[in-house]
Amino acid sequence: AQKITQTQPGMFVQEKEAVTLDCTYDTSDPSYGLFWYKQPSSGEMIFLIYQGSYDQQNATEGRYSLNFQKARKSANLVISASQLGDSAMYFCAMREERTGNQFYFGTGTSLTVIP
Amino acid sequence: ETGVTQSPTHLIKTRGQQVTLRCSSQSGHNTVSWYQQALGQGPQFIFQYYREEENGRGNFPPRFSGLQFPNYSSELNVNALELDDSALYLCASSPGGNIISYNEQFFGPGTRLTVL
Repeated sequence: AQKITQTQPGMFVQEKEAVTLDCTYDTSDPSYGLFWYKQPSSGEMIFLIYQGSYDQQNATEGRYSLNFQKARKSANLVISASQLGDSAMYFCAMREERTGNQFYFGTGTSLTVIP
Repeated sequence: ETGVTQSPTHLIKTRGQQVTLRCSSQSGHNTVSWYQQALGQGPQFIFQYYREEENGRGNFPPRFSGLQFPNYSSELNVNALELDDSALYLCASSPGGNIISYNEQFFGPGTRLTVL
């Protein structure tokens, strides 16, 4: 079974609008971390936001927030006030405590911000 | 503070050859992970080095091997290259081993390997 599933290969959003990128995960480990990374065309992975499995509140980092629904095993990324520079690939990833050193990545969502 | 650097940026090899990719970790980081990212896919974990020892390995054959040096820089070696090895190879460093609270991995720009 896939550890991380991203079902949106491509998304479009109007500049200044908000967009939600979906991510579901699969684990039986009670302790895990969820991450979102941005990958521009240059190739470098840029860390955006982190949510721990025991965190009570949804993580926020500037314009990024993570909608964490533990029972549904979903960790959607919300980008508010989209900017042209947000156009990139976005990857959801998970790290389990029992295999702590390994990140599992999804297949990514390509986001295009339209002026 | 110097970020994660990788060399070379691009590389073209032929099937059957061997290749060595290099990574310098961010200052203060003793853990380096390597990932393979095929075109249109997410990164796949190859292995991790923590304080010069292999500290976990993904589903990659033994012809993928690595080293970590006392300064925590690292090498990824791939023997007997196959066409499917063509990918972006990403290196990531982090402050410490297995502890899940070390939540950030800092990635380098990657090495794009093409196998002909």
